[in-house]
Amino acid sequence: SQKIEQNSEALNIQEGKTATLTCNYTNYSPAYLQWYRQDPGRGPVFLLLIRENEKEKRKERLKVTFDTTLKQSLFHITASQPADSATYLCALGGNNRLAFGKGNQVVVIP
Amino acid sequence: DARVTQTPRHKVTEMGQEVTMRCQPILGHNTVFWYRQTMMQGLELLAYFRNRAPLDDSGMPKDRFSAEMPDATLATLKIQPSEPRDSAVYFCASGLTGKGTEAFFGQGTRLTVV
Repeated sequence: SQKIEQNSEALNIQEGKTATLTCNYTNYSPAYLQWYRQDPGRGPVFLLLIRENEKEKRKERLKVTFDTTLKQSLFHITASQPADSATYLCALGGNNRLAFGKGNQVVVIP
Repeated sequence: DARVTQTPRHKVTEMGQEVTMRCQPILGHNTVFWYRQTMMQGLELLAYFRNRAPLDDSGMPKDRFSAEMPDATLATLKIQPSEPRDSAVYFCASGLTGKGTEAFFGQGTRLTVV
């Protein structure tokens, strides 16, 4: 069966450090992968997209890698700030579907 | 400020009642998604429309759920009859056709069926 796995345990990290989140998937061949941020009581907000033929994407303090052989994406927040505290979801796209993982909570400690 | 608008924001209803959730996609967007979010299952795709035509509703329980787009400015999700297990946050998202289309989410409708 198809699975998108993100760590269910919250990541607690000191301000200024780099937060790294993992998204693993099985039985998918995504054309692209996206990362979203979700704050409590709100809908997810798009952050970054990386396509199947790309290895790495950056946007300001965010970096995403995509390894289609390992079936894994890593999401990095460098120089983390308390305002980065949220739940981050990965989403796999293709074949008219956009399927989400359950998300991984990040807590940045001042 | 373009945004996806969902109504109502909150809905409490009794088991067996019909529930209708509405979504106004961003003007000009031609794709609409309906998702359901629960702690246990996360975000589940219920239905996907492109140019108002349903392309994928395989994630939707067909016996009680229905999704439509009467026009380009309105998408609806109906549950009839509702059950306690339908309690969740329902999100609508819209976007533009293309490889890697970004989904813009609404604020969601929090449904509680008692």
